[in-house]
Amino acid sequence: DAGVIQSPRHEVTEMGQEVTLRCKPISGHNSLFWYRQTMMRGLELLIYFNNNVPIDDSGMPEDRFSAKMPNASFSTLKIQPSEPRDSAVYFCASSLVAGGSYEQYFGPGTRLTVT
Amino acid sequence: AQKVTQAQTEISVVEKEDVTLDCVYETRDTTYYLFWYKQPPSGELVFLIRRNSFDEQNEISGRYSWNFQKSTSSFNFTITASQVVDSAVYFCALRQGGSEKLVFGKGTKLTVNP
Repeated sequence: DAGVIQSPRHEVTEMGQEVTLRCKPISGHNSLFWYRQTMMRGLELLIYFNNNVPIDDSGMPEDRFSAKMPNASFSTLKIQPSEPRDSAVYFCASSLVAGGSYEQYFGPGTRLTVT
Repeated sequence: AQKVTQAQTEISVVEKEDVTLDCVYETRDTTYYLFWYKQPPSGELVFLIRRNSFDEQNEISGRYSWNFQKSTSSFNFTITASQVVDSAVYFCALRQGGSEKLVFGKGTKLTVNP
């Protein structure tokens, strides 16, 4: 089975531009998570969905960030407008939540550089 | 509030040495879950193990072993006879029952030298 798929793997953009990161979770998983990893702050949960519904977006930095999950096999994280401090590795993860705790499986990440 | 502390920022060992990575957690919940992930230089995060709060049995998987002690709120990870391929950043994480949120420690960078 394919793991979590993220695209693009690398993104370089100029400040002020819109950036869209994409994620395809593992088939059959019903929870999806967006994380950001930086040297200063480590791994931070931005938002997570269960059955395509946003459950907790308290980690989203500010209104410039938005996330959607239009169906069970696709999610996007959008930054508009982007700023240099948004430079980080963004990970998408998915898990199956069914009456217990299951591990999250991570995608390869998208390395975002905003100049 | 939940918190995970990995006090060892970096560890360097020589191949074949045993090494233990420490993880201390804080939570008020009686039901919680602990995890270890590996992040090799290639960057992806690889799931290693999950432990439930009601199961304190230690686990061994090949050269890897985990020691879960609720009395000291610790979930330590030992690599026996380390190999160069074990070089990575290792993260400990905590999830409270009733939530899907994972709280990660800052990670321990392990370097295994030949």
